[in-house]
Amino acid sequence: QQQVKQSPQSLIVQKGGISIINCAYENTAFDYFPWYQQFPGKGPALLIAIRPDVSEKKEGRFTISFNKSAKQFSLHIMDSQPGDSATYFCAAQPGGNNRKLIWGLGTSLAVNP
Amino acid sequence: EAQVTQNPRYLITVTGKKLTVTCSQNMNHEYMSWYRQDPGLGLRQIYYSMNVEVTDKGDVPEGYKVSRKEKRNFPLILESPSPNQTSLYFCASSFSGQGKRGYTFGSGTRLTVV
Repeated sequence: QQQVKQSPQSLIVQKGGISIINCAYENTAFDYFPWYQQFPGKGPALLIAIRPDVSEKKEGRFTISFNKSAKQFSLHIMDSQPGDSATYFCAAQPGGNNRKLIWGLGTSLAVNP
Repeated sequence: EAQVTQNPRYLITVTGKKLTVTCSQNMNHEYMSWYRQDPGLGLRQIYYSMNVEVTDKGDVPEGYKVSRKEKRNFPLILESPSPNQTSLYFCASSFSGQGKRGYTFGSGTRLTVV
């Protein structure tokens, strides 16, 4: 049972365009929602994260939009660049001392030059 | 440099031959975890450790063992590897502070069991 559903599985965007990746969760006990970026041959790295008490968080060209009532959150990459080509994972984490992350299955993003 | 170090990066072995993948972190993190990554299946947690001498099963623990005798080290042991354990393995340690929490991952170990 996939508790965090991520879409699309793959995405092709032209340079300068906007990349949008969506995730939906079921468990209302989640209180932290990170996105990880993984380049080929590397481990995932924390990109940006949000808590459910805010609806949007922006860091440079990367923005998380969060809709608590719909239990959905999305990653927007503005002015997408070929260097953004990577696999992106959304995740969710319960509150308290529970460090376990519940992962989406990933989105492979290709940004064409 | 703060990092998680895994060794080896690549390993080809035969069915049944015991192997150990080492993992070490230099950030004094209490929580460490092992994942395997397979196409279409994302990241699946194998085992995790909340602290020294405290380990517990993740989602796919069958065929694996771990130990945590020191805070910095968290080796993954395959007592009798099988071809279905061919995968990309990641070790990670968890950080929390300055309003952020997350995992620092190693660079991965690509294991092939023939």
